[in-house]
Amino acid sequence: KQEVTQIPAALSVPEGENLVLNCSFTDSAIYNLQWFRQDPGKGLTSLLLIQSSQREQTSGRLNASLDKSSGRSTLYIAASQPGDSATYLCAVHPGEYGNKLVFGAGTILRVKS
Amino acid sequence: NAGVTQTPKFQVLKTGQSMTLQCAQDMNHNSMYWYRQDPGMGLRLIYYSASEGTTDKGEVPNGYNVSRLNKREFSLRLESAAPSQTSVYFCASSVTGGYGNTIYFGEGSWLTVV
Repeated sequence: KQEVTQIPAALSVPEGENLVLNCSFTDSAIYNLQWFRQDPGKGLTSLLLIQSSQREQTSGRLNASLDKSSGRSTLYIAASQPGDSATYLCAVHPGEYGNKLVFGAGTILRVKS
Repeated sequence: NAGVTQTPKFQVLKTGQSMTLQCAQDMNHNSMYWYRQDPGMGLRLIYYSASEGTTDKGEVPNGYNVSRLNKREFSLRLESAAPSQTSVYFCASSVTGGYGNTIYFGEGSWLTVV
């Protein structure tokens, strides 16, 4: 059974710092991996999707990498801002038809001004 | 641009009561999903509907029923609520259930069973 773990569970950093969020998964047979952002009291918004054949994806100050063989992904946030404060979740797609994503518990990020 | 709309946003139920969570999407998506989110556990799939007229169980379907009323609407019913069903429920949709389709989430329904 696929399990997704995110470390750390919570992170507090001063504004301007570069930071890395970690995601690991137990079964490397995935189709893709996604990073989502969740604001308090809101739903999830997709940030980046990495296909299993890709090594990384970039969007603005965000860069996500994928090492499928080792079961790891990282989300790098450059020059963090208070507006980046949110919960970040990663989810893997196991390759079966249907978006039956398997989610990690998330990392709660607080960027202090 | 409503996207995925869920109602109600908040609900308190007594043990044994029944209720239905409503979900509608206006993006002409074929696939719809119900997830629950519990502290420290991430989101878990309850049921999904690959297309109108079809439904299938997810990881945690016990205690729930669903209805795909039409292409737009996908409801989740709790027939006899239990305290273990206290959670945040999210409805989601995607163009199809195929690989890598972007999935869009509603803003959640907070359910407390006392």
